[in-house]
Amino acid sequence: DVKVTQSSRYLVKRTGEKVFLECVQDMDHENMFWYRQDPGLGLRLIYFSYDVKMKEKGDIPEGYSVSREKKERFSLILESASTNQTSMYLCASTRSQPRSVLEKLFFGSGTQLSVL
Amino acid sequence: AQKITQTQPGMFVQEKEAVTLDCTYDTSDPSYGLFWYKQPSSGEMIFLIYQGSYDQQNATEGRYSLNFQKARKSANLVISASQLGDSAMYFCAMREGLYNTDKLIFGTGTRLQVFP
Repeated sequence: DVKVTQSSRYLVKRTGEKVFLECVQDMDHENMFWYRQDPGLGLRLIYFSYDVKMKEKGDIPEGYSVSREKKERFSLILESASTNQTSMYLCASTRSQPRSVLEKLFFGSGTQLSVL
Repeated sequence: AQKITQTQPGMFVQEKEAVTLDCTYDTSDPSYGLFWYKQPSSGEMIFLIYQGSYDQQNATEGRYSLNFQKARKSANLVISASQLGDSAMYFCAMREGLYNTDKLIFGTGTRLQVFP
């Protein structure tokens, strides 16, 4: 089974801190994604990546950046954390070949980030 | 416009009864996939079932079935013989196939509570 590992289950940071959320997958997937989940809003895509050193903005990229230096690792960076970034962050991965609309996402267990 | 709409924020069902969770979608792409995920209180996202736009028959996986009505653009999840362990958030999602993107678009979710 695919394993997607997020480094922290719970994280508490202060406003203005630089925050790194790490995600590692072990199935050689090309595509990796960062979503944020908020009550009543569902999951919203922040950034995704098709390959090493490639990144694409999702629906809500403001205030975030990402890094993909190795295929298995995709990092989400909050340059200067703010209280409105308190949320559950979910990392996911999927393969891109062969392409299929039915290729399912594999998720990590999430990081609940609180910014105080 | 919302791509994925889940109109039921919460649902209650008695153990052993069947329950239907609603999902409607909006796309002009002829090729798309529809997915349902379960998220227990532990936070992990568990893939349940999917349906392709060209599939003639409704998908089934054990106690889960997807009631796919293409003309109505609906993809309701039916859980038969509910169990206490089915209590969780349920998310409907879609992937559109035309624009070479692999991202999933999620709805806002339905919280299902199963009572004895």
